[in-house]
Amino acid sequence: SQQGEEDPQALSIQEGENATMNCSYKTSINNLQWYRQNSGRGLVHLILIRSNEREKHSGRLRVTLDTSKKSSSLLITASRAADTASYFCATDAGQGAQKLVFGQGTRLTINP
Amino acid sequence: GAGVSQSPRYKVAKRGQDVALRCDPISGHVSLFWYQQALGQGPEFLTYFQNEAQLDKSGLPSDRFFAERPEGSVSTLKIQRTQQEDSAVYLCASSAWTPGAAGELFFGEGSRLTVL
Repeated sequence: SQQGEEDPQALSIQEGENATMNCSYKTSINNLQWYRQNSGRGLVHLILIRSNEREKHSGRLRVTLDTSKKSSSLLITASRAADTASYFCATDAGQGAQKLVFGQGTRLTINP
Repeated sequence: GAGVSQSPRYKVAKRGQDVALRCDPISGHVSLFWYQQALGQGPEFLTYFQNEAQLDKSGLPSDRFFAERPEGSVSTLKIQRTQQEDSAVYLCASSAWTPGAAGELFFGEGSRLTVL
């Protein structure tokens, strides 16, 4: 079963614009992670935000976490054609659980 | 190798055949996970190993699915009597042990299984 739900399911923007993807989850968590997947490839870890953090940056990525609303957002600034991929949020189940539960993903297309 | 290695990358099986998918995790990684990903969907958890111990197999869809990691390194996912609904990409991931929480997962490229 899926823990997280990403919104939107698909997003198409012009190169240079910012892309925002949202994720909602259901249960309490220790951390939330974002992953990227290029077509036909494995997932690549982008960023991890802990439950006691509200915002985190990594290069052109900005992640926010609102535990009261059980939601997170991923912002990619100044998008590039190479950012075209599917993006997934993943949450653990809290209580020391090691496994991650993934959402359905947002398919992002950057048009040159 | 430097990353997680999976083989075969592509497997075509006739319905009813048995298949075995191999995962070679990053050296020293304690945790190993198998996920199933249907086309256009997110990865679905299948099973988790800590070293050689299978601590969670709650995601295995049926008793036709079996996973092992006998020496705490290489893992094999076996699917017996394959059905068409088993067609998917099977992803393996490994991670270092992170007490109290899930850590960063390192994924292989996946094994794409097509059952005819």
